[in-house]
Amino acid sequence: SAVISQKPSRDICQRGTSLTIQCQVDSQVTMMFWYRQQPGQSLTLIATANQGSEATYESGFVIDKFPISRPNLTFSTLTVSNMSPEDSSIYLCSVELSGPLSYEQYFGPGTRLTVT
Amino acid sequence: LAKTTQPISMDSYEGQEVNITCSHNNIATNDYITWYQQFPSQGPRFIIQGYKTKVTNEVASLFIPADRKSSTLSLPRVSLSDTAVYYCLVGAGDYKLSFGAGTTVTVRA
Repeated sequence: SAVISQKPSRDICQRGTSLTIQCQVDSQVTMMFWYRQQPGQSLTLIATANQGSEATYESGFVIDKFPISRPNLTFSTLTVSNMSPEDSSIYLCSVELSGPLSYEQYFGPGTRLTVT
Repeated sequence: LAKTTQPISMDSYEGQEVNITCSHNNIATNDYITWYQQFPSQGPRFIIQGYKTKVTNEVASLFIPADRKSSTLSLPRVSLSDTAVYYCLVGAGDYKLSFGAGTTVTVRA
């Protein structure tokens, strides 16, 4: 398993500003992911972040809005840029580890973002 | 990615067994079935994973019939702390987890 921490745990931000969310893992992992979970909804994958390469974004998400850094095998950041109230969500990072059968993902506790 | 269908919600009482069935008619040969649990204000937590027949761990059991077009997560003797959203996912470890709506399980005293 993996222990994942995120900072901040929550924040209230003003429209038009940006927030950078940090994700720290207690072991070296190749693949890290960023998800968004809007209030009362399921999780949606934003992007995949591999160390040493550009993040890969899912449909509907762009680098200018959600720039991601992955400087090493234990850390990643997601920035939510030029925020609007529609960006109010929980943002979660996760990592993928090999399990006895297949791959298993482990999630951080999430960052609850409210944009006013 | 195989699409999954599961009930939106289920109610139960403490001490009862809860069975959540997930349909995945388009499951591929190399897909595994994985269940996650999510408590309010927390990230999803891996519960159990299987390919066929039955898998059991300290938390739950997973029953998968021979045709693999469905699976059932069984939570034995639930307690109030098992109240959560349970997600069924199907995939081959290609990391693109596609979360459906999940099943909200509410356990009452």
